Amino acid sequence: DADVTQTPRNRITKTGKRIMLECSQTKGHDRMYWYRQDPGLGLRLIYYSFDVKDINKGEISDGYSVSRQAQAKFSLSLESAIPNQTALYFCATSGGWNNYGYTFGSGTRLTVV
Amino acid sequence: AQSVTQLGSHVSVSEGALVLLRCNYSSSVPPYLFWYVQYPNQGLQLLLKYTTGATLVKGINGFEAEFKKSETSFHLTKPSAHMSDAAEYFCAVTYSSNTGKLIFGQGTTLQVKP
Repeated sequence: DADVTQTPRNRITKTGKRIMLECSQTKGHDRMYWYRQDPGLGLRLIYYSFDVKDINKGEISDGYSVSRQAQAKFSLSLESAIPNQTALYFCATSGGWNNYGYTFGSGTRLTVV
Repeated sequence: AQSVTQLGSHVSVSEGALVLLRCNYSSSVPPYLFWYVQYPNQGLQLLLKYTTGATLVKGINGFEAEFKKSETSFHLTKPSAHMSDAAEYFCAVTYSSNTGKLIFGQGTTLQVKP
């Protein structure tokens, strides 16, 4: 099994619909992150969580919300999807302050029509 | 603001030629630097990282990068390109004061021609 699992892998949804992207990890790390990738823009941080009671906004959190259900689970929700949220979404996890390497999931390709 | 700039969104080399992907960062504090690779339809995989110590860092698949503080650079190189190196490459930076959040560059797509 992969260290970081994202579901679904691909999703097409309609404008205005609520959608949830799920992420689970088996690394035992406390820190989890959600990024979105757009061509020419690299990866931009949406939300991050350092433990189940600590959730923080990233640089592009508007229109998104998250839930940290357990140490291993971190889900991202789009409350009312819009076309410019069409992107590739990545979940990642990392260890403590002196271990800055991330482990990424395989991504969720979301299309909002 | 802290940032990462990758010069060149697309780089094309011939098989066997030198690969050079450029990365510059802006920071007023010591950085921790990373290179990630993304193959088509896959997530990001860590190539190498610099945290402290030796400034020349060796990674997987024959890649290496050198941290040059005076130039605020962390360029990625490989002496001889293989067809399998074709992918998108991302430079990223974080800082001890940034509590581990990674800031990514825009990415560089490497094309390897036969």
